[in-house]
Amino acid sequence: AQKITQTQPGMFVQEKEAVTLDCTYDTSDQSYGLFWYKQPSSGEMIFLIYQGSYDEQNATEGRYSLNFQKARKSANLVISASQLGDSAMYFCAMREGPNFGNEKLTFGTGTRLTIIP
Amino acid sequence: GAGVSQTPSNKVTEKGKYVELRCDPISGHTALYWYRQSLGQGPEFLIYFQGTGAADDSGLPNDRFFAVRPEGSVSTLKIQRTERGDSAVYLCASSNRDRGLYNEQFFGPGTRLTVL
Repeated sequence: AQKITQTQPGMFVQEKEAVTLDCTYDTSDQSYGLFWYKQPSSGEMIFLIYQGSYDEQNATEGRYSLNFQKARKSANLVISASQLGDSAMYFCAMREGPNFGNEKLTFGTGTRLTIIP
Repeated sequence: GAGVSQTPSNKVTEKGKYVELRCDPISGHTALYWYRQSLGQGPEFLIYFQGTGAADDSGLPNDRFFAVRPEGSVSTLKIQRTERGDSAVYLCASSNRDRGLYNEQFFGPGTRLTVL
């Protein structure tokens, strides 16, 4: 089974609208971390937001928020008031185990987001 | 400060040749990671260094792939007898367990390897 599933290969959104990018994950660990990264056409991966499995509140970072539903094993990224510069690939990733234990990230296949002026 | 840098940015080689890809992590970062990203896919983990030692090399696909980090800073990913299937973008990342709140990984721009 895929550890990280992103079911939306591509999305088109009007500028200034909110957008939700879906991510579901699969793990048997109780302790894990979920990350979202942005990859513009330049290729560099940019860290956006993190959610720990024991965090009770949804993470927020500026216009980014993470809709964490632990029972459903989903960690959707919400971008409010989208901007043209948000056009990029977005990857959901998971680290299994405690924060400073197993270090490797497992990534999904990504969602290409295009913001329309 | 400076981010993660990788050289070369592009490498074209012929099947069967040997290549080396270099990664300079963020100064002071103790952890270094290599990932491989094939076209249309997310990055796949290759190897993780904590200091000079490889703490997890479970992602290396076969014994043609090897990586070193002799002084705990710069790392080199070495690929012997390259095959066309090795063509991908090789990403390097670093993190600092002592300062990163989430131990988030900071990525370099990648090296695009093309094997003809």
